Amino acid sequence: KAGVTQTPRYLIKTRGQQVTLSCSPISGHRSVSWYQQTPGQGLQFLFEYFSETQRNKGNFPGRFSGRQFSNSRSEMNVSTLELGDSALYLCASTLEAGVTDTQYFGPGTRLTVL
Amino acid sequence: EDQVTQSPEALRLQEGESSSLNCSYTVSGLRGLFWYRQDPGKGPEFLFTLYSAGEEKEKERLKATLTKKESFLHITAPKPEDSATYLCAVRRGAQKLVFGQGTRLTINP
Repeated sequence: KAGVTQTPRYLIKTRGQQVTLSCSPISGHRSVSWYQQTPGQGLQFLFEYFSETQRNKGNFPGRFSGRQFSNSRSEMNVSTLELGDSALYLCASTLEAGVTDTQYFGPGTRLTVL
Repeated sequence: EDQVTQSPEALRLQEGESSSLNCSYTVSGLRGLFWYRQDPGKGPEFLFTLYSAGEEKEKERLKATLTKKESFLHITAPKPEDSATYLCAVRRGAQKLVFGQGTRLTINP
């Protein structure tokens, strides 16, 4: 079974631009979570989607948004990019949204903001 | 607020030299403690989930244990390919994982 896929793998943007990242979960998985990973802050939770609904949100500004489609694929968008948004953005997929379900991570999208 | 602290930050071992990584946590109503391995430039790879104090799980040279306040990842007779960053995370409910900063493990041949 194919794992979580994320596109693109690498992105370079300039301050003020916006960016959209895509995540395709493992086939049959219905929940998608997004995380930001930086050397200073480590892995931080952004948000979680299940059945096209945002169920949980981390402490990030409103410039960070996301959505999930009926096929469980998810996108996250960052508007008005800042230098501090440079990070590895990770998507994790879960079979359902139960508390015993394991999250499986994709390879990430490396975003560099210049 | 949920907190996860991993120690040491970095650990360098010789091949075959066993050791343990520590993950201490503060969370009310723990609903799972997770161990992941992350190689440079890649996403975290799932290793173990532990749910209750006293639980243990093993996979090849790795063994994870859980108490009410901490978890240990024991690595027995490690090989160079075990070099990676090991991440610990806790979940109180829903799907939000709270991660520690990780332990960067290097195994020298």
